[in-house]
Formats: sequence, C-alpha cells, structure tokens
Amino acid sequence: DTGVSQDPRHKITKRGQNVTFRCDPISEHNRLYWYRQTLGQGPEFLTYFQNEAQLEKSRLLSDRFSAERPKGSFSTLEIQRTEQGDSAMYLCASSSAGPGYSGNTIYFGEGSWLTVV
Amino acid sequence: GNSVTQMEGPVTLSEEAFLTINCTYTATGYPSLFWYVQYPGEGLQLLLKATKADDKGSNKGFEATYRKETTSFHLEKGSVQVSDSAVYFCALSHTGGGNKLTFGTGTQLKVEL
Repeated sequence: DTGVSQDPRHKITKRGQNVTFRCDPISEHNRLYWYRQTLGQGPEFLTYFQNEAQLEKSRLLSDRFSAERPKGSFSTLEIQRTEQGDSAMYLCASSSAGPGYSGNTIYFGEGSWLTVV
Repeated sequence: GNSVTQMEGPVTLSEEAFLTINCTYTATGYPSLFWYVQYPGEGLQLLLKATKADDKGSNKGFEATYRKETTSFHLEKGSVQVSDSAVYFCALSHTGGGNKLTFGTGTQLKVEL
C-alpha cells in the first residue's frame, strides 16, 4: 500500500511532556500538509511543505509546535510541553502540486490520536 | 477569507431513502470543491470533487454539482445504504496558499434498516 502513513496511531501522554508524530506521504507527492481535528469539528489547517520548504503556518501553530520535512520526504510534527487542549487527531496529507490549479486531490492518512492527561 | 458552511447533523435516514447534505461556501475567485467522507476511527477519504462551475462530481452513487450562482455544492444520493453511515465533510481549495483545504464542520449521517 502506498498511501499516506502516520505513526503512532495513538499516543497518550502526560501534560508537559513532548510528543512527536511522523508522516510518510505518497512517494511522488511534493506537498505535505498537517491538520488538526477535534471531536465534532472539521480538520483545521496547521502547516504545509512544498518539498522541504515550509511555506505556510497557521496561527493555530503556537510556538510549542514545530514541523519539519528535512529531505522533502517524510515529515515530523513535534509538540513541546503538551497541554490538555492539544488533545486531538493530527492528520497528515499529501498531494502533487500543479501551479495555478486548485483541483489536485489531497490524500489523507488515518491520523494520529493524541490524548493529554 | 474562505469558509464552508454545512447543514448540522446528525441526519438519520432509513435505508433506500434519498439523501441531501447542504453545503455553501464563501471564497474569492474560483475554488475547487470537494466532499470527503470519514468512517469511525479513520482518516478522510475523497468522495468526489468539482473544479469549475457547473461541473458535477460523482462517485459510488453520490453526486454534487458546483453552483457558482448560489455558491453551493450540495451532496446527494438517490438511495442510501447502512454502509454509508459516516461523517461527510465539504471542503474547498484555492490556488493561493498551497491549495490547502478549508473544511466545513461535517455532517454525520446515520442510516438505519
């Protein structure tokens, strides 16, 4: 299967601890996105990369959050000093970019559930 | 800014009933429009999309038409099945800002026998 994969699928952590999520996009995709989804809500955009460059960050991405895509392939999302409000599903997605075209399909992984206790 | 508004759920239907889930959007220019489906405990799967006005997206018996004059992209299915029970998200993407998706809050569909 060559879909978007995320690891771990579930993480329970104590408040104040750091957590890291990994995403492996579809291999030929040059764009990678991170979203956050809380219960009963739609996914909210956090950040995206084109190759290794992080091109946009949402205001939702506080200074405790950092994302990297060092070689333009897999990506990591780290949350430092976790808070209970960080409990959510973190979704990774990827697509192939076409300039001036908004219809490229974005493929999502199954998400990483974070519970902060 | 861009935004998507969906009808609130849950929507509960009997099997073989007709389904409509309303979606309207606000965006500048000419976004592409999408419906994604999320089954319990899973990520999002693309259901269908339309990239320009009057386009109709269709998949698995679901259809939606891009109506620029009413800024709508309502999802329809003629005969729902129990297996269609899921949460449905309407979304738009724009060429500005990396084609990122802006989602509605989702509509839960429950189909009963």
